[in-house]
Amino acid sequence: GQNIDQPTEMTATEGAIVQINCTYQTSGFNGLFWYQQHAGEAPTFLSYNVLDGLEEKGRFSSFLSRSKGYSYLLLKELQMKDSASYLCAVRDSNYQLIWGAGTKLIIKP
Amino acid sequence: GAVVSQHPSRVICKSGTSVKIECRSLDFQATTMFWYRQFPKQSLMLMATSNEGSKATYEQGVEKDKFLINHASLTLSTLTVTSAHPEDSSFYICSARASFDYEQYFGPGTRLTVT
Repeated sequence: GQNIDQPTEMTATEGAIVQINCTYQTSGFNGLFWYQQHAGEAPTFLSYNVLDGLEEKGRFSSFLSRSKGYSYLLLKELQMKDSASYLCAVRDSNYQLIWGAGTKLIIKP
Repeated sequence: GAVVSQHPSRVICKSGTSVKIECRSLDFQATTMFWYRQFPKQSLMLMATSNEGSKATYEQGVEKDKFLINHASLTLSTLTVTSAHPEDSSFYICSARASFDYEQYFGPGTRLTVT
C-alpha cells in the first residue's frame, strides 16, 4: 500500500530552527510537495521537489532523497506565525497526490 | 496568479436538504479539479477527481450518488451534497490544476454544518 509518515506534533522556540521529516512508500514517484495549513484554512503551497537535493526558498528549505524515500522541511528563524500544520504529499505514478497526516508545529516564545 | 475561489465559505443546512459548493479557477483553465474533505485534526481526504467534460472519478468509500460532482467548464466545478446528514459536517476544499503545471492550487474551503 501507499504510506506517508510524518511526526504528529513538534514544538520549537521562536527564532530557532526546526526540521520536519517525511518518509514515503508509494507506487511510483512524480514529485513531493510541502504545504502549510493554518487551522480552519486551506493548505498553501510551500515547496516542490522532484530531484534529489535541497531547494531553498527564503526561511524555508526542502530536501529530497528519492533512494531513501525521505524528505524534510527546514524552517529557520521561526516566527509565531509559523505555528501551523505542515503537510507532506507525494504524487504517485497516476499523478495522484498521496497525503501525509500532517505535522502540527507549535512555536513557543 | 493561479487563484481558486470557493463559494460559499460557510453554510449551515438542515438534515435532509442538499447543498451545492462551487469551485472556480479565476485566472487559469483548470483541466483537473479535486475535491477534498477534512475532519477536525485530520489530514485531507481526497473524495474525487474530475476532468472537464467527463465524469468524476471517486475514491473508494465515497458515495457518488450522495456527492455529485460536475465539472462543466474549464473554470468551474461544483460539489452537491445531497440529503445531507450531520455526519457530513466537515471542511470541504477544492483544488485545481492546469495542464501546464505540476502544482495544485487550493480554494479557501467551505465549512459545512448540517443540523
